[in-house]
Amino acid sequence: DAGVIQSPRHEVTEMGQEVTLRCKPISGHDYLFWYRQTMMRGLELLIYFNNNVPIDDSGMPEDRFSAKMPNASFSTLKIQPSEPRDSAVYFCASSSHSRSGDNYGYTFGSGTRLTVV
Amino acid sequence: AQSVTQLGSHVSVSEGALVLLRCNYSSSVPPYLFWYVQYPNQGLQLLLKYTSAATLVKGINGFEAEFKKSETSFHLTKPSAHMSDAAEYFCAVGSGGYNKLIFGAGTRLAVHP
Repeated sequence: DAGVIQSPRHEVTEMGQEVTLRCKPISGHDYLFWYRQTMMRGLELLIYFNNNVPIDDSGMPEDRFSAKMPNASFSTLKIQPSEPRDSAVYFCASSSHSRSGDNYGYTFGSGTRLTVV
Repeated sequence: AQSVTQLGSHVSVSEGALVLLRCNYSSSVPPYLFWYVQYPNQGLQLLLKYTSAATLVKGINGFEAEFKKSETSFHLTKPSAHMSDAAEYFCAVGSGGYNKLIFGAGTRLAVHP
């Protein structure tokens, strides 16, 4: 299994530009999470999906952020327009749980380091 | 509501010494508990997890953690630190049937010769 795959690994963009981050979860996982990590705020949950449906987007900072999951094998996180304070590492994670409700935890991708100048 | 508190944002040990990273949780339902490790410029990797079976859980790289309900703790230990253990460690709590995990603020472990 290739694990959770994120692209690009690094992104440098100018303020005001649109940025799209991509994630391919592990096949068979029915949950997908987007996190942001910064030195100041640590790990922040932005949004998560269950079976491609957004369940909780309360962590999305503002309307400039949007996320989609058009199918079980692909998700995007878009920032438009980007601002310097969006600079962070963005992680995607996926997980599954058993029918009895066991929580197996997450598998994280390697992250996308976004720098907005 | 669930929450996690990691005591000590930075821990420094000598190579060969005991590693102890502290985690206390709060949960109104039986918790699932996890430790993750993050090496520089990498994602978080699952070290071990507690899912209501044995209270002493063994993970990768010689780490283990003990679930103590009376103390609401899930501290991570390793008998002998190795230089390669230097990383950031995150404790997380979740619940069965609900896959969202709540992460602690992390503890950065430094190992010196």
